[in-house]
Amino acid sequence: DAGVIQSPRHEVTEMGQEVTLRCKPISGHNSLFWYRQTMMRGLELLIYFNNNVPIDDSGMPEDRFSAKMPNASFSTLKIQPSEPRDSAVYFCASSFRDTVAKNIQYFGAGTRLSVL
Amino acid sequence: AQKITQTQPGMFVQEKEAVTLDCTYDTSDQSYGLFWYKQPSSGEMIFLIYQGSYDEQNATEGRYSLNFQKARKSANLVISASQLGDSAMYFCAMREGWYFGNEKLTFGTGTRLTIIP
Repeated sequence: DAGVIQSPRHEVTEMGQEVTLRCKPISGHNSLFWYRQTMMRGLELLIYFNNNVPIDDSGMPEDRFSAKMPNASFSTLKIQPSEPRDSAVYFCASSFRDTVAKNIQYFGAGTRLSVL
Repeated sequence: AQKITQTQPGMFVQEKEAVTLDCTYDTSDQSYGLFWYKQPSSGEMIFLIYQGSYDEQNATEGRYSLNFQKARKSANLVISASQLGDSAMYFCAMREGWYFGNEKLTFGTGTRLTIIP
């Protein structure tokens, strides 16, 4: 079974450039999450969607960050313009949300972003 | 206050020994879930085990078990018969409340486990 697929795995860009990270969730999952991992702040939730609708974007750092989920099988996280402090590993995760509380989130391999 | 506290930044354990990774949590919700994830050096996050706040039995998944002490608000991960492949970062996480719009996981800072041959 295919897991959560993220692309690219590594991204190196220069300050001021636009960066787009992509995610394909596990087929059949209806919730999708974007997390960021840094040494200073650890793992933090940026935004999550349920049935393609953004539910909680309180973790999005600022207006430079935007996320979309145009359909059930694809999501993007865009940073424009990028800054060196955006350097981090960005994870996408998905889960199947039903009436049961468990709702395990399965993570992709992550995108390591370096902004020079 | 920290929602999830992992007090052991690093641990070294002899191969084949059992290891306990500590996790304490802070919540006022009666309904919550506790999760453990493993992050090997390759970077991916791997789900290991889940415990719900109303679960009466401690969760077990193969060599992993969760020592859930609700009154003490602790959810320690126990790995039996450790293997070299268990060397990784381990994160404890919590989801508070089982209502729509609250699927956020809050993670601890992690424990780096190194298994010594």
